[in-house]
Amino acid sequence: AQSVTQPDIHITVSEGASLELRCNYSYGATPYLFWYVQSPGQGLQLLLKYFSGDTLVQGIKGFEAEFKRSQSSFNLRKPSVHWSDAAEYFCAENSGGSNYKLTFGKGTLLTVNP
Amino acid sequence: NAGVMQNPRHLVRRRGQEARLRCSPMKGHSHVYWYRQLPEEGLKFMVYLQKENIIDESGMPKERFSAEFPKEGPSILRIQQVVRGDSAAYFCASSPTSGGRSPPDTQYFGPGTRLTVL
Repeated sequence: AQSVTQPDIHITVSEGASLELRCNYSYGATPYLFWYVQSPGQGLQLLLKYFSGDTLVQGIKGFEAEFKRSQSSFNLRKPSVHWSDAAEYFCAENSGGSNYKLTFGKGTLLTVNP
Repeated sequence: NAGVMQNPRHLVRRRGQEARLRCSPMKGHSHVYWYRQLPEEGLKFMVYLQKENIIDESGMPKERFSAEFPKEGPSILRIQQVVRGDSAAYFCASSPTSGGRSPPDTQYFGPGTRLTVL
């Protein structure tokens, strides 16, 4: 079965510092990969997605992610974090025969210190 | 353009009661997906529906849970005889075209319904 692993349950960074959230996927063929953000009490907002092509994808709010097939990773990055980025971040994949089933990681909670 | 709407946002039920969760997809979207988020877990797929059709309910518990997406009106996720273990956030997502496309359509999520069973 497909699985998505987010090794870090909780990360704390200072405002202005750089950020990298890790994500590893299990599907062997070409995966479709997503990062979503969930603010407290809110639904999920799509930050970016990777289907094919350039392995570095740009998203909204200054986020980017890099697909590395050799490492089965799709890590999310931001060069300078803002206090408003505090939220929970979910990596997801959508692959195999059922392209509509998103498989989510357990999420990484980001705290931003002033 | 209104996004995916879900109501109620919060629902409290006592054990044994029924819970009805509603989802109105984005305008122009005819494909709806339901996911459940248990505490400290990621979202897990429950069911995929098109208008008047259940396409895939492989993630639905075998008993007490049902879903529909009628020709008119919102999609409904119904939980009968709720138990404490049903307490979770239930999210609905929608997409404009067939969920089986490759690459897949982006799924747009609603704010969720947080169900608490006392």
